[in-house]
Amino acid sequence: DTGVSQNPRHKITKRGQNVTFRCDPISEHNRLYWYRQTLGQGPEFLTYFQNEAQLEKSRLLSDRFSAERPKGSFSTLEIQRTEQGDSAMYLCASSLWKGTRNTIYFGEGSWLTVV
Amino acid sequence: AQKITQTQPGMFVQEKEAVTLDCTYDTSDQSYGLFWYKQPSSGEMIFLIYQGSYDEQNATEGRYSLNFQKARKSANLVISASQLGDSAMYFCAMSGLIQGAQKLVFGQGTRLTINP
Repeated sequence: DTGVSQNPRHKITKRGQNVTFRCDPISEHNRLYWYRQTLGQGPEFLTYFQNEAQLEKSRLLSDRFSAERPKGSFSTLEIQRTEQGDSAMYLCASSLWKGTRNTIYFGEGSWLTVV
Repeated sequence: AQKITQTQPGMFVQEKEAVTLDCTYDTSDQSYGLFWYKQPSSGEMIFLIYQGSYDEQNATEGRYSLNFQKARKSANLVISASQLGDSAMYFCAMSGLIQGAQKLVFGQGTRLTINP
C-alpha cells in the first residue's frame, strides 16, 4: 500500500492524558498536512509542513497541540492534557507541491475519543 | 476568506441514475483549485476530481465530472450511472494557489445514498 498511512486508527484516552498520532505520507511527497474533523462537519485545517519546515498553523492549534516532521518524512501530532473537546478524527494528508496543480491525498484518519 | 457551501445535506438516488451534487464557493483569489472528495463510513477521504480556476475544460475522471461555472462560482459534481458503492459523504473543497498556499477549505458535505 503506497497511500498515506496513519496510526493508531483509534485511540481512547482519559481526560488529561497525552496522545500522539503518527502519519507516514506518500513517498516523495514534500507537503504534509493535518486536519481535524468532528461529527457532521467537514475537515478543518490544523497545520502543514513543506519538507521539515512547519509553514502554517491554524488558530485551532492551541498550545496543547504540537506537530513535528523530522527529516521531512513522517510526522507526529501530539495533544497534551487532552480535553473532551479534542474528541475528533485527525486526518493526515500529503501532496507533491510543484508550484502548480497539487492534488492532496488523505489517509484513513485517527479517531480520538477522550473520556 | 474562502468559503464553500453545499446546500444538500442528503440525497437519495436510484441505482444507475445520474446524480448532481451542488457546490458553490466564494473567494477573492484569482487563482484557485476546486476538489471533490468521497468519505465512506470508514473515514478515509478519497480524492475524486480536481478543477483549476484557469482550466478551460471541465474536469472528468471516469464516472465523475465537474460542472465548473466560474461566473456563477459553482463546481457541481456529476456522477453518471450511480452504483451502490457510491453511497458515502461527499465533500467539496477549495484551495488558494497564491504563494504556494494549498490549505483546503471544506464544505459541510452531502450524504449520498444509492438505493437498489
